[in-house]
Amino acid sequence: ETGVTQTPRHLVMGMTNKKSLKCEQHLGHNAMYWYKQSAKKPLELMFVYNFKEQTENNSVPSRFSPECPNSSHLFLHLHTLQPEDSALYLCASSQDWVAGGFNEQFFGPGTRLTVL
Amino acid sequence: AQSVTQLGSHVSVSEGALVLLRCNYSSSVPPYLFWYVQYPNQGLQLLLKYTSAATLVKGINGFEAEFKKSETSFHLTKPSAHMSDAAEYFCAVSRGSGNTGKLIFGQGTTLQVKP
Repeated sequence: ETGVTQTPRHLVMGMTNKKSLKCEQHLGHNAMYWYKQSAKKPLELMFVYNFKEQTENNSVPSRFSPECPNSSHLFLHLHTLQPEDSALYLCASSQDWVAGGFNEQFFGPGTRLTVL
Repeated sequence: AQSVTQLGSHVSVSEGALVLLRCNYSSSVPPYLFWYVQYPNQGLQLLLKYTSAATLVKGINGFEAEFKKSETSFHLTKPSAHMSDAAEYFCAVSRGSGNTGKLIFGQGTTLQVKP
């Protein structure tokens, strides 16, 4: 595997289900991101992790719970979602920005989530 | 605070015509600027980036963009459109110095290429 991978690619869940999205990067990066992409809305940054530490939570509802066990893996745990949470969820990674470098982000293909 | 405005949510050109996608940014510090492309059912792919070196930046697939500080613009161009260029294009900005890892994206421009 190369680049950033995401599983599953498609997910349909009911409002009472619990599911998890997985992201893995094979680029040796230290920063990872979750984005939400809804129809006709700009990309919304949800969470940022740098060296496994969460550095940004963009006022995301608690029904979304991220987990970053190491610099290569990022999870998004989902529970009691709402139909309006249906969207494409994108994971990205980049070099850490501690050294002041630019953070070119590399994206995975996304998970298309449908909440019934 | 930083922001990005993409002028025109939908642009339509004929195959072989010039492509021009507009992006204006707002930043109180020297910015880094990016253009990404997203094909249907895929993630975002970096087309090109400006990181305070040359103001004219060449990217993949024949695209280029010019950083104009006086106009706070970073428009994307391609001399001759191909059918395969049909996609969604996103402009993004991040801080230069004092980078905090955050990318701010524009709302996106859908490029349609007509035969």
